[in-house]
Amino acid sequence: GAVVSQHPSWVICKSGTSVKIECRSLDFQATTMFWYRQFPKQSLMLMATSNEGSKATYEQGVEKDKFLINHASLTLSTLTVTSAHPEDSSFYICSAPRGYYSNQPQHFGDGTRLSIL
Amino acid sequence: AQTVTQSQPEMSVQEAETVTLSCTYDTSESDYYLFWYKQPPSRQMILVIRQEAYKQQNATENRFSVNFQKAAKSFSLKISDSQLGDAAMYFCAYRSQGGSEKLVFGKGTKLTVNP
Repeated sequence: GAVVSQHPSWVICKSGTSVKIECRSLDFQATTMFWYRQFPKQSLMLMATSNEGSKATYEQGVEKDKFLINHASLTLSTLTVTSAHPEDSSFYICSAPRGYYSNQPQHFGDGTRLSIL
Repeated sequence: AQTVTQSQPEMSVQEAETVTLSCTYDTSESDYYLFWYKQPPSRQMILVIRQEAYKQQNATENRFSVNFQKAAKSFSLKISDSQLGDAAMYFCAYRSQGGSEKLVFGKGTKLTVNP
């Protein structure tokens, strides 16, 4: 079964609204989670690294004020797309490494399809 | 910064045949991990196989195996006895051993399996 749960799986909203996406590790604690963005027929691009109890680390070119990340507990990270516009429409995926040792694979959520009208 | 290159945007194979997907990467690190992920139309990311750079032996997982050439920085995926369910996007990914555990992905190869 899934070890990382992502919600919602699909959201449609009007331009200008804010949308929150949740990523939960179900049976393990994740001090770090990753948020990726994937455009149609393209690869996954890392947006930011979510760190429990501290500020997220954003990749170059990603607007911090646009994509707010909160990692308030060891099992939950949220990505909020603020004042969303049509160009923010994309597929967003989170992942979390399981376990303390770095050789453990990452587990991915099922993704969120975001459509801004 | 590390980069991952997949030079084959699309590949096709006949059912039951063998296909090899190519991946090269660039890094100055000596210890790292390499992965192949499968993304079917459902867009769920599925780990296919992984390789630790310090291991000389090529990883295998049932019908999936890799040809890891560390000096050449090459990491190809071989799928034997291809099945219709193997049709998907395949992404090669790199991860450093220490520090951040973020994955660096290649652009992907779309695999079609013909009956």
